[in-house]
Amino acid sequence: SQTIHQWPATLVQPVGSPLSLECTVEGTSNPNLYWYRQAAGRGLQLLFYSVGIGQISSEVPQNLSASRPQDRQFILSSKKLLLSDSGFYLCAWAGTVDSPLHFGNGTRLTVT
Amino acid sequence: DQQVKQNSPSLSVQEGRISILNCDYTNSMFDYFLWYKKYPAEGPTFLISISSIKDKNEDGRFTVFLNKSAKHLSLHIVPSQPGDSAVYFCAARESGTYKYIFGTGTRLKVLA
Repeated sequence: SQTIHQWPATLVQPVGSPLSLECTVEGTSNPNLYWYRQAAGRGLQLLFYSVGIGQISSEVPQNLSASRPQDRQFILSSKKLLLSDSGFYLCAWAGTVDSPLHFGNGTRLTVT
Repeated sequence: DQQVKQNSPSLSVQEGRISILNCDYTNSMFDYFLWYKKYPAEGPTFLISISSIKDKNEDGRFTVFLNKSAKHLSLHIVPSQPGDSAVYFCAARESGTYKYIFGTGTRLKVLA
């Protein structure tokens, strides 16, 4: 069966520090991969998605970036965090065209 | 521009009764709709989906109804159980894309 791993579960970072969140999927090949963010009291905002290695689509212009160095690995990065980057970050994958998204357990990021 | 809207931020229902969660969308190119359940500090869990070629899909206690002319979908939970208490998100995918857009969520509380 397919599983998705996302780490760390919680992270506290100072303003201006870099960020790297990692997500890996097991049990499937060539998944579509996604990063979402849930800010306090808000819905799920799509940040990036990828349909293949090296292919990244950005939905929200900001100081975050994403990379997909391997088929089942998706990384969310920032060179310098802002206070507004605080939130709950979720990685997800989807398989075939009419398949649902499957989410990881999320990373709670607090920028201080 | 919120393409998927959940206008009720919260809903309380008595145990054993029906819960009806509503979702409206604006993009007529959406062709696949999903409902997710989310507990605090966890990733959303997929519940049920429906393709735009259907108007109803059932899975156990969960039924999703789609009214394309009104651009409206709803999730019915019958009978409601205390364990159903969570935040429910509706989501939609635009035809020909891999983007899943989420609503802002409705917090359901099932009272014992």
